Amino acid sequence: GENVEQHPSTLSVQEGDSAVIKCTYSDSASNYFPWYKQELGKRPQLIIDIRSNVGEKKDQRIAVTLNKTAKHFSLHITETQPEDSAVYFCAASNGNYGQNFVFGPGTRLSVLP
Amino acid sequence: DAGVIQSPRHEVTEMGQEVTLRCKPISGHNSLFWYRQTMMRGLELLIYFNNNVPIDDSGMPEDRFSAKMPNASFSTLKIQPSEPRDSAVYFCASSFRHTGELFFGEGSRLTVL
Repeated sequence: GENVEQHPSTLSVQEGDSAVIKCTYSDSASNYFPWYKQELGKRPQLIIDIRSNVGEKKDQRIAVTLNKTAKHFSLHITETQPEDSAVYFCAASNGNYGQNFVFGPGTRLSVLP
Repeated sequence: DAGVIQSPRHEVTEMGQEVTLRCKPISGHNSLFWYRQTMMRGLELLIYFNNNVPIDDSGMPEDRFSAKMPNASFSTLKIQPSEPRDSAVYFCASSFRHTGELFFGEGSRLTVL
């Protein structure tokens, strides 16, 4: 089955700096790669996603890149703000019949004012 | 739409008791997932259903755990008998298979004493 690894497990940055979180996956059939943000005591919520036919996607301060050959994808947050502090999870899914959603272990991001 | 609805939000029980967690997915979604979240293990996929049919239950930790989806608008996760190591937040999530985005409920926090 699918296995998703995520690095780093914790990340501290100064407000205004950039943050990068990297994930690798094992199943070449995976074709959908979302990123979720989970604030303390709340549910995970989708912040951005990318499909296997796209190499990069950007939404304001957030961008995701995908390298299908190497089976890795990354989340980039620019101009970080204190409200970006949360746990971020990457996931990989096979959009065909089965749609197995497997999450990485998470990265705790702290943005220091 | 009210989103994914889970009940109860909090459950405190004693070891050996039966626990039933409930989930109502978003109307029209045809995939439903049960996850368990702990500090040590992160977000673990326990089981998922497509069109009410269980597809993969390899994440269910033991025979003490069982899940059902009798119709498109209701699912249960049952633990019998419960043990202290089952203490965790259990999330239900649903998606429309062809779009992929996973929507989480607010979670059920289980404490087994």
